Amino acid sequence: DSGVTQTPKHLITATGQRVTLRCSPRSGDLSVYWYQQSLDQGLQFLIQYYNGEERAKGNILERFSAQQFPDLHSELNLSSLELGDSALYFCASSGRLVGRGEKLFFGSGTQLSVL
Amino acid sequence: DQQVKQNSPSLSVQEGRISILNCDYTNSMFDYFLWYKKYPAEGPTFLISISSIKDKNEDGRFTVFLNKSAKHLSLHIVPSQPGDSAVYFCAASAKYNFNKFYFGSGTKLNVKP
Repeated sequence: DSGVTQTPKHLITATGQRVTLRCSPRSGDLSVYWYQQSLDQGLQFLIQYYNGEERAKGNILERFSAQQFPDLHSELNLSSLELGDSALYFCASSGRLVGRGEKLFFGSGTQLSVL
Repeated sequence: DQQVKQNSPSLSVQEGRISILNCDYTNSMFDYFLWYKKYPAEGPTFLISISSIKDKNEDGRFTVFLNKSAKHLSLHIVPSQPGDSAVYFCAASAKYNFNKFYFGSGTKLNVKP
């Protein structure tokens, strides 16, 4: 158990809808990362938050947004969903700004299916 | 643009033999590399890392080798065990933006008893 909790585990929705994925980091970790894994693809970095502030951005679509709350949990909002958004979404956390020797702890992911 | 590539989607090895998983990268600014292991229905878990100041790092049965001139790293598992069957991801980051980790597409290792 990594200590990172993601809910829900599975989500089935229709095109055009909006969903929210939730992540609770390991106790004490300040950084939260979101990754997307599509079929046969690697983990694509979406966005990172540190102590409530956005720190780094990857290939995140404008239809997607995220935030980190004062209690350090994070939410990833996906709107105007398309079939191609179907993927496994992972949240990861780390203790501070990731530096040399730091590593990420991953949750078990949310499987999103857009029908 | 895939900056970290794992060109072998799968690998099958006999128990007790060596497993060698390969990873190539294109960004010469990458200076920190990690390997993660992922079982079905679980998130990736950290396995081993290496900094670019080293060319080898060992942890028990797992050794990572880094060839900077070839922009290539490999993970050796000796001896391989059935419990090592999983998907292995390599990842890299650069000192100018070490908050971003670039992951490969993964190699599925099957260790046969």
